[in-house]
Amino acid sequence: AQTVTQSQPEMSVQEAETVTLSCTYDTSESDYYLFWYKQPPSRQMILVIRQEAYKQQNATENRFSVNFQKAAKSFSLKISDSQLGDAAMYFCAYRSARKSGGGADGLTFGKGTHLIIQP
Amino acid sequence: NAGVMQNPRHLVRRRGQEARLRCSPMKGHSHVYWYRQLPEEGLKFMVYLQKENIIDESGMPKERFSAEFPKEGPSILRIQQVVRGDSAAYFCASSRLSNQPQHFGDGTRLSIL
Repeated sequence: AQTVTQSQPEMSVQEAETVTLSCTYDTSESDYYLFWYKQPPSRQMILVIRQEAYKQQNATENRFSVNFQKAAKSFSLKISDSQLGDAAMYFCAYRSARKSGGGADGLTFGKGTHLIIQP
Repeated sequence: NAGVMQNPRHLVRRRGQEARLRCSPMKGHSHVYWYRQLPEEGLKFMVYLQKENIIDESGMPKERFSAEFPKEGPSILRIQQVVRGDSAAYFCASSRLSNQPQHFGDGTRLSIL
């Protein structure tokens, strides 16, 4: 079974600074997807960024970028120019690319990192 | 441009009652996923459905929990004879195809008295 580990329960950053959230995962598969989701106090789950494992190029979405290290099974999220609206829980998630039941189609989530933005 | 719609937003039940949680996927999405989030935890996959079919229920408790996604109408997650441990936030997600990103609803917070 796949596991996702987020080792930072909480991170704090000054507004306008850059912060990196770490995520590692364990899998025996070679083809999969990785995601970062944001959950603000409203509890809505918002997709921030997605990475396909077969792509070497790191995904970017405006101020959000990832550092995907497949060999190390690491998938960190970098937030540049942090804004107050970035304050939320951030969840790293894994999804297998195969379709064979056993939870393959569901996302496996880490426990989350609570990001605090200091004004 | 409706996203994934879940209702009710909050549901309170007494022990032994039944809870029904509804999820209407985004327009054009035929794949529905249910997740449970316990306090201070990430979401845990429960079940994956397509119209009229359960594709993967490997994350569903064996007893008291069931899910359906009928040809017409929303997907329903049903919990019979609820217990205190069922208190959680239940999220529904949908996707157009199984290999495309899942978009989440706002969740239903279930509280058991």
